Amino acid sequence: EAGVAQSPRYKIIEKRQSVAFWCNPISGHATLYWYQQILGQGPKLLIQFQNNGVVDDSQLPKDRFSAERLKGVDSTLKIQPAKLEDSAVYLCASSLRGEQYFGPGTRLTVT
Amino acid sequence: AQSVTQLDSHVSVSEGTPVLLRCNYSSSYSPSLFWYVQHPNKGLQLLLKYTSAATLVKGINGFEAEFKKSETSFHLTKPSAHMSDAAEYFCVVSDRRGSTLGRLYFGRGTQLTVWP
Repeated sequence: EAGVAQSPRYKIIEKRQSVAFWCNPISGHATLYWYQQILGQGPKLLIQFQNNGVVDDSQLPKDRFSAERLKGVDSTLKIQPAKLEDSAVYLCASSLRGEQYFGPGTRLTVT
Repeated sequence: AQSVTQLDSHVSVSEGTPVLLRCNYSSSYSPSLFWYVQHPNKGLQLLLKYTSAATLVKGINGFEAEFKKSETSFHLTKPSAHMSDAAEYFCVVSDRRGSTLGRLYFGRGTQLTVWP
């Protein structure tokens, strides 16, 4: 089966610009996650969707980050405006019965 | 609260020698524990998981881990390292509410280097 797809793989922007990341989960997986992985640290959950509803967004900086999963399949994560400390790898994962499958991630560099 | 401490940020071994990556956890509930591996420019891959069945868990590529509740540990081992094992390894804890897995909490990672 195809894995979790993410694009773009790399993105470089200047601070105060906006950026969006896209994720296509494994077909049939109802749960979708976005993680932030800062260099030298483990991934940290930003938001969890169940179908098109938000289950957990307690660690999402809502003043600048937003995410949506309108049709319960693909998802988009947006940062506006970006800060230097947002430089990280953004990982998308999906699950069907608990086990999470991760995409390759988008490496964001904010200059 | 759930948390994970990976006791070594870097581990170096020679090819063919045993691998030990150490992990201690803290959990307010009955934990599920995982080890993930991350190769450069690739997604995280599940190596193995413990979800309350046998305490010795076997995973892919010859890795195994033992859940020790008394020591709150879940160390990852492999009898003989291979060059392809060089990667970043993450210990992960999640609480379980019945059959539902909670949020995953990742350790900071252990970088494994394998020398020829």
